[in-house]
Amino acid sequence: DQQVKQNSPSLSVQEGRISILNCDYTNSMFDYFLWYKKYPAEGPTFLISISSIKDKNEDGRFTVFLNKSAKHLSLHIVPSQPGDSAVYFCAASAYGGTSYGKLTFGQGTILTVHP
Amino acid sequence: DSGVTQTPKHLITATGQRVTLRCSPRSGDLSVYWYQQSLDQGLQFLIHYYNGEERAKGNILERFSAQQFPDLHSELNLSSLELGDSALYFCASSVGQGGQPQHFGDGTRLSIL
Repeated sequence: DQQVKQNSPSLSVQEGRISILNCDYTNSMFDYFLWYKKYPAEGPTFLISISSIKDKNEDGRFTVFLNKSAKHLSLHIVPSQPGDSAVYFCAASAYGGTSYGKLTFGQGTILTVHP
Repeated sequence: DSGVTQTPKHLITATGQRVTLRCSPRSGDLSVYWYQQSLDQGLQFLIHYYNGEERAKGNILERFSAQQFPDLHSELNLSSLELGDSALYFCASSVGQGGQPQHFGDGTRLSIL
């Protein structure tokens, strides 16, 4: 039972254009969402997060949108740069009484930004 | 550099054996999280410790155990190893007790022969 899904295994974008990565979830108990970026042979790097009380959060070139009714979130990268080429993971968590640390990850989307 | 150190980087062993993976969190971080990444399962949460105490547990097998020591480093012990335990094991850390992993190490790749 995959509770967090990233249906696009890969995405290719031209430098300077917008990259939109999508993520769907099924568990209505999730109330905190995160995006991580991962380069080969490295661990994931935290990018941006959003609480379920918001529908948008922005940090520089990165914006995350949350649509709770559709159980959908997306990450927008504008403008895209070749250095953004990596695997992007969507993750979700629900407060477990003591911790939000139990993240459920999607399978990842490989983003390639062409010069 | 995330500041999280995992050792060893690679580990090759045989079925039935026991191994210990080590993690030193980023300086100042009190929380340590362990995740397993296998080819077919993606990143799976194993366990979260805060300042030496267990905070949350995922689908961690009974053959696996972890602890966080007073100096805040953590160890993940895997015993009676099976072929299916071959995976990348990531450690992550964060400052607080209720938050999410912010900084990941580069992982330990465990190969069971």
